[in-house]
Amino acid sequence: QVQLQESGPGLVKPSGTLSLTCGVSGDSISSNFWWTWVRQPPGKGLEWIGEIYHTGNTNYNPSLESRVAMSVDMSQNHFALKLTSVTAADTAVYYCARGPRVASRDPPDYWGQGTLVTVSS
Amino acid sequence: DIQLTQSPSSLSASVGDRVTFTCRASQSLNIYLNWYQQKPGKAPKLLISAASNLRIGVPSRFSGSGSGTDFTLTISSLQPEDFATYYCQQSYSTLITFGQGTRLDIK
Repeated sequence: QVQLQESGPGLVKPSGTLSLTCGVSGDSISSNFWWTWVRQPPGKGLEWIGEIYHTGNTNYNPSLESRVAMSVDMSQNHFALKLTSVTAADTAVYYCARGPRVASRDPPDYWGQGTLVTVSS
Repeated sequence: DIQLTQSPSSLSASVGDRVTFTCRASQSLNIYLNWYQQKPGKAPKLLISAASNLRIGVPSRFSGSGSGTDFTLTISSLQPEDFATYYCQQSYSTLITFGQGTRLDIK
């Protein structure tokens, strides 16, 4: 069974950097999937942040591209998200997910439980 | 960006009812439209991919249809565990987008 688990600070100061890690079990980060980040502000809808492949190839949401960086650590079987220059508008539950499969248009299938990150001084 | 508009934004129904949700895209998606269910405090759960492919383990009372710009999700006979928010999502474009959601409440 594939499982994902987000981890990282739950509170980040304005203008700081949000850093999260997604640990993967039941699959290898070097398998034939992209690995995705999605966020959801409290009481609002879902926003795709971007995706990364184990080779380091990335696709980012243009609305966030100037502030986002994703990375993969195959030795730890996890992938990471960094979001710089955060404001209160970045307060959200952040989810990591597996998918899509390479060369497919399958949607992300397995998701982490999500972690709330609050931007506040 | 491809915009997805879901209707209605909320719906009240009773156990046993048949309900249908709609998702309309701002451009053709072929069949690359997916449906997720989200319960409060939980991650989204994939129900249907590619417009009509029911994910293994999802009850057969859920079904999806459509192509191009208009898609529907139908629940044939509502069960208590189905009350949740439903999101459509397009994977036609590399820039994935979601609809704003339809909240399904108990009448």
